[in-house]
Amino acid sequence: DGGITQSPKYLFRKEGQNVTLSCEQNLNHDAMYWYRQDPGQGLRLIYYSQIVNDFQKGDIAEGYSVSREKKESFPLTVTSAQKNPTAFYLCASSSGQGPWNKFGQGTRLTVV
Amino acid sequence: AQKVTQAQTEISVVEKEDVTLDCVYETRDTTYYLFWYKQPPSGELVFLIRRNSFDEQNEISGRYSWNFQKSTSSFNFTITASQVVDSAVYFCALSGGYGNKLVFGAGTILRVKS
Repeated sequence: DGGITQSPKYLFRKEGQNVTLSCEQNLNHDAMYWYRQDPGQGLRLIYYSQIVNDFQKGDIAEGYSVSREKKESFPLTVTSAQKNPTAFYLCASSSGQGPWNKFGQGTRLTVV
Repeated sequence: AQKVTQAQTEISVVEKEDVTLDCVYETRDTTYYLFWYKQPPSGELVFLIRRNSFDEQNEISGRYSWNFQKSTSSFNFTITASQVVDSAVYFCALSGGYGNKLVFGAGTILRVKS
């Protein structure tokens, strides 16, 4: 079955460290997205990419970076510049044929 | 700018009760899509329905039904005869234009008690 794999499921980071969240999809989807979820605020878009080697900032891109070197992969780096990184991060992908978003299981990042 | 409002932060019902989750949206796009997702405790978002702006027909899927009204910019979700397994966070979302980015509401926590 095709799907989206996010790893790890739980991640702990010390303050001042960068950390990279993995997102891989085998759905042959062109577009991929990163969302952040905080309690009571729904999901907010961090970055998105519609094709390989191209990506755009979402609503809350500050303190994050991404790359899209392969169609299947869209890793998210949470840098030390992100002031409140503790959150639940969800990766999604969609086909260029229509607004269909498939989500991964998420990574819960905690800064200790 | 696009916006989705889910005014109900949390709803508690007793099993077998019907429950309606409200969703109001704002957009200037003439073509847009509305979604409902369910988020169980595991965290993964489960797709429930997608509706485009040109299709105002209500939809029923088992115990689930959706009422889309463009005149009031609402896309409400009703669960009939609720069950404990329906307990989750439910998100309404909006997508319009190029890119398929989703704008989410804050979510409604549904607690169904036995």
